[in-house]
Amino acid sequence: GENVEQHPSTLSVQEGDSAVIKCTYSDSASNYFPWYKQELGKRPQLIIDIRSNVGEKKDQRIAVTLNKTAKHFSLHITETQPEDSAVYFCAANTGFQKLVFGTGTRLLVSP
Amino acid sequence: KAGVTQTPRYLIKTRGQQVTLSCSPISGHRSVSWYQQTPGQGLQFLFEYFSETQRNKGNFPGRFSGRQFSNSRSEMNVSTLELGDSALYLCASSPAVGGTDTQYFGPGTRLTVL
Repeated sequence: GENVEQHPSTLSVQEGDSAVIKCTYSDSASNYFPWYKQELGKRPQLIIDIRSNVGEKKDQRIAVTLNKTAKHFSLHITETQPEDSAVYFCAANTGFQKLVFGTGTRLLVSP
Repeated sequence: KAGVTQTPRYLIKTRGQQVTLSCSPISGHRSVSWYQQTPGQGLQFLFEYFSETQRNKGNFPGRFSGRQFSNSRSEMNVSTLELGDSALYLCASSPAVGGTDTQYFGPGTRLTVL
C-alpha cells in the first residue's frame, strides 16, 4: 500500500542554523514529491517540489533531495529565520494517483 | 487569479446531523481534492473529482460523499455526523489530476461536532 513516513515530528533550531526533514515512501511508482508549509491558522502552501527524474532542486534557502533507490527525500532549509517556524508536510503521489501526505514536522526557529 | 475559496469557514453541528461543505477552485482548474486534517494525523485524502467524475477515493466510510459541478465547484457531504468527524476540511484545486501537479489549498472549513 501507499505510505509516507516523516521525521522528526518536531524540530527546534537556533536562528541561522540549518534544518533537515526526512521522508520515506513505499510506492515505487511515485514520481512527484511536493513539500508544503502550513503556518498556524493558515492553509498549506507549496514551497518546493521535485519529480523523479531529478535528484536535487534548490530555491534560495530551500532545497530538496530525492533518492529513488532508497525511496526517501529530504527538505533542507539553510540559514533559518523565525518566520520559517511552521508545520512542514511532505507528500508523494502514488500509482493509485493520489497524494499521500506525511504526518508533518513542527519546526521552531528560536531567535 | 483568485485563490481557492471554501464556505462556510466554521460549522458547529450535533451528532447525527449532516453537513455540506463547498469549494470553489481556481479558475481553469478542473481537479478538486478533499482532505481531512486532524492534529497528529496530518492530511488524510478523502476523494478527488475531475470533470464532474470521482477519480479516486480514500479510506473513509460511505457517510462521506462528494460531487462536482460543471463549473468545477465541488461539494462534500457528511451524513450522520460523529464526534470523530470534528476536523479541518481542506479542499485543493490543481491543473492536473491524480496528484501529479501542484495542489492549491483553500482556507478550510473547521467542523465541530458536539
